[in-house]
Amino acid sequence: GQNIDQPTEMTATEGAIVQINCTYQTSGFNGLFWYQQHAGEAPTFLSYNVLDGLEEKGRFSSFLSRSKGYSYLLLKELQMKDSASYLCAVIRDDKIIFGKGTRLHILP
Amino acid sequence: EPEVTQTPSHQVTQMGQEVILRCVPISNHLYFYWYRQILGQKVEFLVSFYNNEISEKSEIFDDQFSVERPDGSNFTLKIRSTKLEDSAMYFCASRNGEAFFGQGTRLTVV
Repeated sequence: GQNIDQPTEMTATEGAIVQINCTYQTSGFNGLFWYQQHAGEAPTFLSYNVLDGLEEKGRFSSFLSRSKGYSYLLLKELQMKDSASYLCAVIRDDKIIFGKGTRLHILP
Repeated sequence: EPEVTQTPSHQVTQMGQEVILRCVPISNHLYFYWYRQILGQKVEFLVSFYNNEISEKSEIFDDQFSVERPDGSNFTLKIRSTKLEDSAMYFCASRNGEAFFGQGTRLTVV
């Protein structure tokens, strides 16, 4: 199957930390992306994980466990501009398949 | 910084007409993709293209759709006989490792 599961919505407070989880079916897996998408705009690349472990890039980090079919995106020091949808996407064979996205609301 | 560019940014067309959406992928990338996003819905895979041919396509990508790489830089999506339900954002992407998206074409079929 193609299921990629992530929470529909999350809410966090400015300055805090939030973790957005993604689970996927492991067959044909070749890598995983996280994207940020503001309403009406294109997905913006955040991270790319191929091997197990944590990739850190500024305030954003992404983790992958291939055996568990699990990834998370960690956002630190949240800012109001981080209010957006966050999309988990899996490379499966020659396709990149997206989850439905997690809409993150940031409260002041 | 290299980027994926798409034209036009907006396209309004009458039902039944043909449209061609254009993309210039990042120059050294080998994999190209087209996606569709209907308003408020998820990003849906349409087709992937590698080594000058389609490598995978979804069930959405039926005979109404076709892709071409007419020269060394452009990558086009043709939609024949457009329907109201084809109204959506269409995104092109390219990658070797990391995948980058163009800004999209907003297609409105009236």
